[in-house]
Amino acid sequence: QVQLVQSGAEVKKPGSSVKVSCKASGGTFSSYTISWVRQAPGQGLEWMGRIIPILGIANYAQKFQGRVTITADKSTSTAYMELSSLRSEDTAVYYCASGGLECSSTSCYTPSGMDVWGQGTTVTVSS
Amino acid sequence: SYVLTQPPSVSVAPGQTARITCGGNNIGSKSVHWYQQKPGQAPVLVVYDDSDRPSGIPERFSGSNSGNTATLTISRVEAGDEADYYCQVWDSSSDHRGVFGGGTKLTVL
Repeated sequence: QVQLVQSGAEVKKPGSSVKVSCKASGGTFSSYTISWVRQAPGQGLEWMGRIIPILGIANYAQKFQGRVTITADKSTSTAYMELSSLRSEDTAVYYCASGGLECSSTSCYTPSGMDVWGQGTTVTVSS
Repeated sequence: SYVLTQPPSVSVAPGQTARITCGGNNIGSKSVHWYQQKPGQAPVLVVYDDSDRPSGIPERFSGSNSGNTATLTISRVEAGDEADYYCQVWDSSSDHRGVFGGGTKLTVL
C-alpha cells in the first residue's frame, strides 16, 4: 500500500512562491496519479491539479492555471506542487492524494477515487 | 465547469440512518466518490465508483447514484461517524479534472 509523506509547514510573504513535496513509499510510483487538494480554514476541499508521474504530464483546475506547477521526480518517488504569486487567500492546508491510473487511446486519467492521502501541509501567507 | 451541490448539514440520532445527497447535472452518468473528514485529519475515501467500499470501511457505508443525485447512506449511525463528507467526480468533459461538492457536516445528535 502506498504511503504519502508531505513536507513541513511553511510561512510565506504575499507575492512569493511555495513548493510542497509529497514523497511516496510502497507501490510503484509510475503506476498511479498524484492529485493536489487544498482546504482553506473552515472551508471545503478544492482540487488543484494532478500529475501522471510515468508521463510527467499535469493538468490543473482552471482557477489555478498559470499559477500552479505540479511536477514529479521518478528517481525519488516525489511529487511537488509549486504555487506562485501567493496571497492571503492561499492560506490553507495542502494535501497530496494518490489514485489509480488508466489510459485510453487519447488520454490518461484517474479512473476512481483517491484512496491514499498525505498528512497535509499548512501554508500560511502573511505579511 | 461541472458543479456538485451538497446540503451544508445533516443531523441524525444514533442508530438511525443518515442520507447525504450530492446533486449534479446527469451525475448518474459519472462515477461518484465519497470522502469522510474528521477535524484536523486528512480525508478518507469511504465509497468509490458510486457504491464500492475500500477495505476497512464498514458495511454501514453505502452509496447509490442515479439521474441528477448521488447519495451516501450511513446505516446505524454511531457517534464516531460525525464528520464532514464530500462527494467528488472526475469531469471527463474537462480533461478529467477533479470536482468536489461543498461538503456536508454530519451531526450525530
